Amino acid sequence: EAGVAQSPRYKIIEKRQSVAFWCNPISGHATLYWYQQILGQGPKLLIQFQNNGVVDDSQLPKDRFSAERLKGVDSTLKIQPAKLEDSAVYLCASAETHDYTDTQYFGPGTRLTVL
Amino acid sequence: GQQVMQIPQYQHVQEGEDFTTYCNSSTTLSNIQWYKQRPGGHPVFLIQLVKSGEVKKQKRLTFQFGEAKKNSSLHITATQTTDVGTYFCAGPRAGGTSYGKLTFGQGTILTVHP
Repeated sequence: EAGVAQSPRYKIIEKRQSVAFWCNPISGHATLYWYQQILGQGPKLLIQFQNNGVVDDSQLPKDRFSAERLKGVDSTLKIQPAKLEDSAVYLCASAETHDYTDTQYFGPGTRLTVL
Repeated sequence: GQQVMQIPQYQHVQEGEDFTTYCNSSTTLSNIQWYKQRPGGHPVFLIQLVKSGEVKKQKRLTFQFGEAKKNSSLHITATQTTDVGTYFCAGPRAGGTSYGKLTFGQGTILTVHP
């Protein structure tokens, strides 16, 4: 079974530029999560999708971050404009459902460096 | 908001020594999940505990969930160099509509000296 795919793996941009990340979850997984992991910290949930609808985006900085999952499968996360403090690894995870007992499977992440 | 704290932040052990990391939540949890992240890697699910006072074992790893469902521990017996990595606990807040929303602790970084 293929895992969660993410691209790109690495991205370096200058502040105020825009960047987009892509995630393809495990086939059949209805729930998709985007996390931000700053060096030395645990992952922090940014947004949670159930199929193509947003379940929770309470921790998403909506003035600069946006995400979509138009067809309920793959998803993109965008930052516009980027700030220095956005430097982090952006992890995508998927689960069969949004039930709290479902295992979340993480992708390899995209490491973003903002200069 | 919900906070999940882990101690210690770092642990250095000699191969063969035991290791324990502790996890404490500011709120009661529906369940507690443990993940391992190897250096440069991504979090990988280890186990989930649901019941109050539950204890589960995976080979040399023993996981406990507190009676009040607010704390947990992971104990590794006779560490090996393959145990190196960061161990995270995470849990959804009990009640409400938190669904699968996990709050992660900051992790315990384990290094094992051969």
